[in-house]
Amino acid sequence: EVQLEESGGGLVQPGGSLRLSCAASGFSFSSYEMNWVRQAPGRGLEWLSYINSHNGGTYYADSVKGRFTMSRDNAKNSVYLQMNSLRDEDTALYFCARGRTGDGDSFDHWGQGTLVTVSS
Amino acid sequence: DIQMTQSPSSLSASVGDRVTITCRASQSISTNLNWYQQKPGKAPNLLIYAASSPQSGVPSRFSGSGSGTDFTLIISSLQPEDSATYYCQQSYNVPCSFGQGTKLEIK
Repeated sequence: EVQLEESGGGLVQPGGSLRLSCAASGFSFSSYEMNWVRQAPGRGLEWLSYINSHNGGTYYADSVKGRFTMSRDNAKNSVYLQMNSLRDEDTALYFCARGRTGDGDSFDHWGQGTLVTVSS
Repeated sequence: DIQMTQSPSSLSASVGDRVTITCRASQSISTNLNWYQQKPGKAPNLLIYAASSPQSGVPSRFSGSGSGTDFTLIISSLQPEDSATYYCQQSYNVPCSFGQGTKLEIK
């Protein structure tokens, strides 16, 4: 069974940093691209970042470019999101999602999310 | 960046009704369009990929169609468990983008 489990969320002050982790199991992790998506309270889904399976290449949404860094460790079946210079508007539930190349490049499995609250 | 616009933003329908949700892209995205269902407090769940292909395990009452800029998600016979928010997503290019969501309530 495919499982994704996020961790690392919490309360942080504006300007602070946080590192999210997403542990994967139940599939050949190194063969899949991965994504981070967030959802602010009462709002819709916002894609944040993507990392490919073959060379670790990444893409970012403009809203987080230069502040967030996505990485992966295939030996640990995990992806990470290093978040720096956090702002109030980064408060959200952060999901990791498995990307499926082809098949619409859809996100076919999601974790349950980890909550990040940015507040003084 | 490609903008995705869903309509309606919310709707209320009765069990057994046929429900249609539409999604429009700001430019052609071929069939690179996916649909997700999200229930309160839960992660999104992939329903339809590549505009019209049902994800494994999705009930047959859910179907998708469209290409280019206009897409449709149809629930052929609404069930109580279909109460949720539905999102379209374009995967034509980066950044991928979601529609604003359609909240579906059961009367």
